[in-house]
Amino acid sequence: QSLLTQPPSASGTPGQRVTISCSGSSSNIGKNLVNWYQQLPGAAPKLLIYGHNQRPSGVPDRFSGSKSGTSASLAISGLQSEDEADYYCAAWDDGLNESWVFGGGTKLTVL
Amino acid sequence: QITLKESGPTLVKPTQTLTLTCTFSGFSLSTSGMGVGWIRQPPGKALEWLALIYWNDDNRYSPSLKSRLTITKDTSKNQVVLTVTNMDPVDTATYYCAHYGDYRFAYYFDYWGRGTLVTVSS
Repeated sequence: QSLLTQPPSASGTPGQRVTISCSGSSSNIGKNLVNWYQQLPGAAPKLLIYGHNQRPSGVPDRFSGSKSGTSASLAISGLQSEDEADYYCAAWDDGLNESWVFGGGTKLTVL
Repeated sequence: QITLKESGPTLVKPTQTLTLTCTFSGFSLSTSGMGVGWIRQPPGKALEWLALIYWNDDNRYSPSLKSRLTITKDTSKNQVVLTVTNMDPVDTATYYCAHYGDYRFAYYFDYWGRGTLVTVSS
């Protein structure tokens, strides 16, 4: 059971805006910055968003991140077929056992 | 350009020790602030962080696996080695190594290797 909870699936049609949530606690998202990773089928994860809402060079501005309290969200606007992938949130957890924690992942389907 | 590549056995028997090597280029683990981590992913399942080693030999381990993990570095060879003792079929996974970066107090795994699939079976 992951310390970060994501919906197992999400979907949208091309051009739509979709959001993926990531629910945590005061020991992770509540006090530390959130990262998002995109994993295309058969590929290694790719850093998509860091520090809640920063995009690495080369990541389209269609992708954005936000945080509120102990939850974070990834938004994808102008959905494209190539966005079909698994998305994972991650954060450092400062609890009793310090560690990096990942969400369970959300499979995004572009209909 | 930062690149990383994992290497090691593809098949191990239960109770054996797994040794994986991450060979990287484009940065030096002797440079202040640098780090390399290991993350694994069982088939069809989520990512799981395992370990992290910093330029100053400080390290961090997943609490649930700490007793079985050891991470070391060889700066001269640009390599990081992860050992996992007492392997079990549930440890079957793709193992990734990744560069640990930071920017203005944000920390993240920004460059990943392609991963290596390790199967545990007798």
